[in-house]
Amino acid sequence: EAAVTQSPRNKVAVTGGKVTLSCNQTNNHNNMYWYRQDTGHGLRLIHYSYGAGSTEKGDIPDGYKASRPSQENFSLILELATPSQTSVYFCASGDAVGGLAEQFFGPGTRLTVL
Amino acid sequence: GEKVEQHESTLSVREGDSAVINCTYTDTASSYFPWYKQEAGKGLHFVIDIRSNVDRKQSQRLIVLLDKKAKRFSLHITATQPEDSAIYFCAASPRNAGAKLTFGGGTRLTVRP
Repeated sequence: EAAVTQSPRNKVAVTGGKVTLSCNQTNNHNNMYWYRQDTGHGLRLIHYSYGAGSTEKGDIPDGYKASRPSQENFSLILELATPSQTSVYFCASGDAVGGLAEQFFGPGTRLTVL
Repeated sequence: GEKVEQHESTLSVREGDSAVINCTYTDTASSYFPWYKQEAGKGLHFVIDIRSNVDRKQSQRLIVLLDKKAKRFSLHITATQPEDSAIYFCAASPRNAGAKLTFGGGTRLTVRP
């Protein structure tokens, strides 16, 4: 069974503070993704990675950085958190094998920026 | 870039009836269309997908239809059960997009007893 874990599960941060969200996968997938989920917007892609050492900008990268130090780990970094970044963040992993792009999601991190 | 619109934000059906969720997309290069289910307080999990080389796919009570001319695809859940209640997301991925998915806004399905 594919396994993607996220930490922390809940986080309260102050405006201007630094926040790091962590993701770990045991699927040995090359690709990893960070999304945020907001009502009415579905999931929007922030950053993604094709493998260790690589990060790519997604559709809404402003205000976020990403780090992929290993195959298993992918972090999302908010250097200067703002209230507009209050959201639920999901990490996912997957591989485009034969054109299939199924992604496996973690349980999410609820971030509140005060 | 690709935009995916999910037409029903909420949908309520009676147990045993069918539910239909409709999505449209904008990028003619999109070739892969998965559906995900999100139960309360959880992450998304994959339920079914369809590729552009077919126009219909069925997996047990789930049917996906794809109309490439209209750039429209739909999820049909037959003989609905209470455990089908969840938020459903459609998504699209253009060929050679690096396995990136663009998601619709989600449909909250409620199956009434």
